Amino acid sequence: EVQLMESGGGLVQPGGSLRLSCAASGFTFSGYWMHWVRQAPGKGLVWVSRVDSDGSNTDYADSVKGRFTISRNNAENTLYLQMNSLRAEDTAMYYCTRGGVDRSTDYWGQGTLVTVSS
Amino acid sequence: DIVMTQTPLSSPVTLGQPASISCRSGQSLVHSSGNTYLSWLQQRPGQPPRLLFYKISNRFSGVPDRFSSSGAGTDFTLKISRVEAEDVGVYYCMQATEFPYTFGQGTKLEIK
Repeated sequence: EVQLMESGGGLVQPGGSLRLSCAASGFTFSGYWMHWVRQAPGKGLVWVSRVDSDGSNTDYADSVKGRFTISRNNAENTLYLQMNSLRAEDTAMYYCTRGGVDRSTDYWGQGTLVTVSS
Repeated sequence: DIVMTQTPLSSPVTLGQPASISCRSGQSLVHSSGNTYLSWLQQRPGQPPRLLFYKISNRFSGVPDRFSSSGAGTDFTLKISRVEAEDVGVYYCMQATEFPYTFGQGTKLEIK
């Protein structure tokens, strides 16, 4: 069974940093792209970033480019999102999702909540 | 960025009746490969999103056959033949033809 479990969220002050993790199990992690998608409270889904299967290629939404870094450790089946210079507008539930066949986002974690506030 | 526009934003439906959601993209979603990377996701209250369809009409594992998806180019439609109580939630279309991936605003399906 494919499982994705995010962690690392919490309350942080504006300008602060957090590192999110996503532990993957039930599939060959190193064979798949992985994505982060976020959802502000009561709002819609927004794609944040993706990393390819070996970590060599990444893409970011303009709103996080230069502040967030996606990475992965295939030996430990874990996806990361390093978030720096956090702003109030980064407050959201952050989901990791697997990039499945034909660019689908086929499995999603339960999410981890990030709150940026003083 | 490709803008995805869904209509309606809210859809009150009677149990057992059909429902339809439209998604229009600001430009063609046909990739250079010839594929069209349009997905539909469902988000039930308090739950993470769940994939329903990918590449327009490919049904994901476990999705009931009362759901169907169609379309081409810039216009796509998700249909539910007979709405059940468990279908309540928000439905999103998503394009993955180019980065950044973008989502529609979401359509809230509720029971009348």
